[in-house]
Amino acid sequence: EDKVVQSPLSLVVHEGDTVTLNCSYEVTNFRSLLWYKQEKKAPTFLFMLTSSGIEKKSGRLSSILDKKELFSILNITATQTGDSAIYLCAFIIQGAQKLVFGQGTRLTINP
Amino acid sequence: DTAVSQTPKYLVTQMGNDKSIKCEQNLGHDTMYWYKQDSKKFLKIMFSYNNKELIINETVPNRFSPKSPDKAHLNLHINSLELGDSAVYFCASSQPGTVIKETQYFGPGTRLLVL
Repeated sequence: EDKVVQSPLSLVVHEGDTVTLNCSYEVTNFRSLLWYKQEKKAPTFLFMLTSSGIEKKSGRLSSILDKKELFSILNITATQTGDSAIYLCAFIIQGAQKLVFGQGTRLTINP
Repeated sequence: DTAVSQTPKYLVTQMGNDKSIKCEQNLGHDTMYWYKQDSKKFLKIMFSYNNKELIINETVPNRFSPKSPDKAHLNLHINSLELGDSAVYFCASSQPGTVIKETQYFGPGTRLLVL
């Protein structure tokens, strides 16, 4: 069965710290991996990764995919309280238009 | 200029009632989805429609019936509501084709509480 596992499930750090969130997956026909940030409402799109080793970057956030070892990481540098959210990892399977989500990492940034 | 919108935002109802949630997207996407997020924040696909045609139905009880009057709208009707239906329901849309276009954009969610 296709699945995705995120770790840690919960993380509490201080403002200014750097965090790394992990996402490992077992997928038979991988197409792409996506990261979303969910605050109080809708998940908002962060990154889509399809190729190994190519870092995607947006401000203090960056992500990379390793298709050989079947994982992705999301890095956040110089964290701010506004980064507090649940971070969701999901993949799309070839030929199936649906997202399969991990259970999320709840990140809390304390001032 | 909301991209994906849902109504209502909150829904509190008694067990056994029938209720509907509406979703609209103005992104011009062909594919729309319903996801359910449980109390542990786990998001799971329920249905997807492509250009008004059902393409995914993930073993959801028959009490749930999606309806797509046109490709910009996907409504969810739930009959005989049960306590376990309490969750946040998210609508999403995407444009299938190239991988880059397959990013799914989510609505604000409808928080359903069944008493």
